Amino acid sequence: QLQLQESGPGLVKPAETLSLTCSVSGGSLSSPSHYWAWIRQPPGKGLEWIGFIYYTGTTYYSPSLGSRVTISVDTSKNQFSVRLTSVTAADTALYFCARFSKWELGGRSALDLWGRGTMVAVSP
Amino acid sequence: DIQLTQSPSFVSASVGDRVTISCQASQDVRNWLAWYQQKPGKAPNLLIYAASTLESGVPSRFSGSGSGTDFSLTISSLQPEDFATYYCQQANDLPHTFGGGTKVEIK
Repeated sequence: QLQLQESGPGLVKPAETLSLTCSVSGGSLSSPSHYWAWIRQPPGKGLEWIGFIYYTGTTYYSPSLGSRVTISVDTSKNQFSVRLTSVTAADTALYFCARFSKWELGGRSALDLWGRGTMVAVSP
Repeated sequence: DIQLTQSPSFVSASVGDRVTISCQASQDVRNWLAWYQQKPGKAPNLLIYAASTLESGVPSRFSGSGSGTDFSLTISSLQPEDFATYYCQQANDLPHTFGGGTKVEIK
């Protein structure tokens, strides 16, 4: 059964770069049927879609994060990652990776599998 | 970006109650709307996709309806394990925005 697991530092200093990795196990990330997404949730607040990537490397990002965000994929390691530059306290959040299945290939056009999330705090 | 407005933001209900949550989109999202349930400290869990299709393994007391800009999630008879926060999300247009959430609490 396919599983997702986030990993990365739990504490990042302001103005530095936040980097997280999502490891995919029990299945291949190189599936034409799926996109691989990052979502975050500040403490006590709602969900924010960050962006997603296709196994070919095609990416889509939320305009709200502008050029600060980059999502990449390493198919050889079955992992995908997110980098967020110039972080501030507003980037403190629980970060989730998730799978988005494409409707046109029999999917749900929804986030149908999630990692457990990893908390990242931005603090000096 | 497409804005999703959920209402109410907070519901106080009892076990056995029927609960309906609304999600209104700022633009037509056709039927590309999903509903998720999230419990504290946990990842969201997909309940409904394509506006009205129940995800496998989700109890039939959950149902979704709507298309275009107006959607709803109904829990026909609230169970103790249903006390959680519910989010809608649209997948018609990028970015795939979420609603602000509706917290269902025990009365």
